[in-house]
Amino acid sequence: NAGVTQTPKFQVLKTGQSMTLQCAQDMNHNSMYWYRQDPGMGLRLIYYSASEGTTDKGEVPNGYNVSRLNKREFSLRLESAAPSQTSVYFCASSKAQGGEKLFFGSGTQLSVL
Amino acid sequence: AQSVTQLDSQVPVFEEAPVELRCNYSSSVSVYLFWYVQYPNQGLQLLLKYLSGSTLVESINGFEAEFNKSQTSFHLRKPSVHISDTAEYFCAVNPGGFKTIFGAGTRLFVKA
Repeated sequence: NAGVTQTPKFQVLKTGQSMTLQCAQDMNHNSMYWYRQDPGMGLRLIYYSASEGTTDKGEVPNGYNVSRLNKREFSLRLESAAPSQTSVYFCASSKAQGGEKLFFGSGTQLSVL
Repeated sequence: AQSVTQLDSQVPVFEEAPVELRCNYSSSVSVYLFWYVQYPNQGLQLLLKYLSGSTLVESINGFEAEFNKSQTSFHLRKPSVHISDTAEYFCAVNPGGFKTIFGAGTRLFVKA
């Protein structure tokens, strides 16, 4: 049972380059999320998708775009990477909102030089 | 706005000693409360959660947390820690929507 799968695991970009982080879940979950993790700041929500066909901004959406391609897949795009976007990115999914637990992928470590 | 404060960034403790990781949250509404654990180079995993009912919740590996509404706290405790408990622990709150708010994390370091 794969759960939540993220690719790539590591990436180094130069300032201004673009890239897409891929995420897929095989648990038939309705909701999917992208978080970033920075030292001393915990996890901050970038974007989320409550259900297939919908996306909404989280706490720190600037500089990012997302696509809910289908129920399984939710991608995060950096159009013009900046050093401030150096972080560890986690995709997560849940059955629904509120008290449902989040299932996390193993993360993507991104460095922007 | 919701916020979560984890009062200790690092907690070193000897093996078999008790430990408490402290968490306070600010909210004027009822919330769901969670503790997640992150082992090195992995994603977060749910440790335990409080939805309603009994204020004391337990996990399968010996951790417990007590919901205190008057103090808006949800501290995590374990009476005897193991080396394998070394990890980072995150307290989180959700008011019922899609936005789960995480604390900054507490690194638990268990020494032999």
